[in-house]
Amino acid sequence: GDSVTQMEGPVTLSEEAFLTINCTYTATGYPSLFWYVQYPGEGLQLLLKATKADDKGSNKGFEATYRKETTSFHLEKGSVQVSDSAVYFCALSDGNTDKLIFGTGTRLQVFP
Amino acid sequence: DAMVIQNPRYQVTQFGKPVTLSCSQTLNHNVMYWYQQKSSQAPKLLFHYYDKDFNNEADTPDNFQSRRPNTSFCFLDIRSPGLGDAAMYLCATSRDTGRVTQYFGPGTRLLVL
Repeated sequence: GDSVTQMEGPVTLSEEAFLTINCTYTATGYPSLFWYVQYPGEGLQLLLKATKADDKGSNKGFEATYRKETTSFHLEKGSVQVSDSAVYFCALSDGNTDKLIFGTGTRLQVFP
Repeated sequence: DAMVIQNPRYQVTQFGKPVTLSCSQTLNHNVMYWYQQKSSQAPKLLFHYYDKDFNNEADTPDNFQSRRPNTSFCFLDIRSPGLGDAAMYLCATSRDTGRVTQYFGPGTRLLVL
């Protein structure tokens, strides 16, 4: 079945450091790919998405490119802020089921 | 501007006492979902409605029920909460099913005493 694998956290960075959170997926067909962010005590917010190969999703300085050849959708940001501290979930949806398939989440901690 | 609204944000109930969580949406989406999220875990889908059609996940306990009286509202009923049901409950909506974006509410944190 479909699955999403994320790098384990926590990821600990200093402010203004470069961020990469790795995400790879297994799916039949051509899924849509998402990054959601969850701040402490809150629900999930859609951060960015991509619906086909080579699409780049971007929002608030975060970027991720849909790489079909490597089945990856890595999240990057050039300069993180303390306010980016949260849990980040990679997810996919395909046309075969009605559900989002989530990775296990990666906690990001940014220190001043 | 709130699109998916959940009430209450925090709910305390007693062991075995029925509890209902509420979700409403202003997006006029066809699909509404309920997820359970335990600490440090990914959300787990309990069930969803496509319009009035109910779709239960195979491993969702019978203790969990849902109602969708109209397009805007959806309720999660826990008939006899156990200590293991303490979690964050997330409501989400999408325009359709398949390769579409789901939009989440802020969640209701349930505590069972």
